[in-house]
Amino acid sequence: SAVISQKPSRDICQRGTSLTIQCQVDSQVTMMFWYRQQPGQSLTLIATANQGSEATYESGFVIDKFPISRPNLTFSTLTVSNMSPEDSSIYLCSAGPGLANEQFFGPGTRLTVL
Amino acid sequence: AQKVTQAQTEISVVEKEDVTLDCVYETRDTTYYLFWYKQPPSGELVFLIRRNSFDEQNEISGRYSWNFQKSTSSFNFTITASQVVDSAVYFCALIKGGYNKLIFGAGTRLAVHP
Repeated sequence: SAVISQKPSRDICQRGTSLTIQCQVDSQVTMMFWYRQQPGQSLTLIATANQGSEATYESGFVIDKFPISRPNLTFSTLTVSNMSPEDSSIYLCSAGPGLANEQFFGPGTRLTVL
Repeated sequence: AQKVTQAQTEISVVEKEDVTLDCVYETRDTTYYLFWYKQPPSGELVFLIRRNSFDEQNEISGRYSWNFQKSTSSFNFTITASQVVDSAVYFCALIKGGYNKLIFGAGTRLAVHP
């Protein structure tokens, strides 16, 4: 299995600012993903982070708002740009696939936008 | 289109009771994978089990058991003799064969009281 760490674990930000979240995996993985979990809700896939190329975004998410980098097979960043209170969520990084085709999840970043 | 439905929003039980979490899925694909994840209050998603569409054998792991029935498109999860540490949100998820996008259900919040 892969162990995933995220930084920061939580943050409180002001409207209009940007926050970059880092995701580090302890081994090389093929796929890395970013999810958003709004308060009391399920997880929604934001994008697939592709190593060496532009991320693949899901419907409703755009690169200008959520730029993603993946410079190598163990690291990715997600930036939440020009934040508004509606961006207050938990942002989770995942990686895979594992032997059972599962994805391993990081601990998440709890973001509050005032 | 693919969809995962967890009709039970919240379940409350007393310790040592058995509890079943329901999961119904929709997909037109013949090859797919079903998952259960646990999200304790700490926020991290913990992988519990994967089932592929060609394996309807039920599985037991300690106090946990899973019942996969393709005829009813269900993949239910039973906890026997529940414990307070089982309190968490449980997510059922689906991946289409050959892809890596996880489709999550809304989640079921389980509260186990002493």
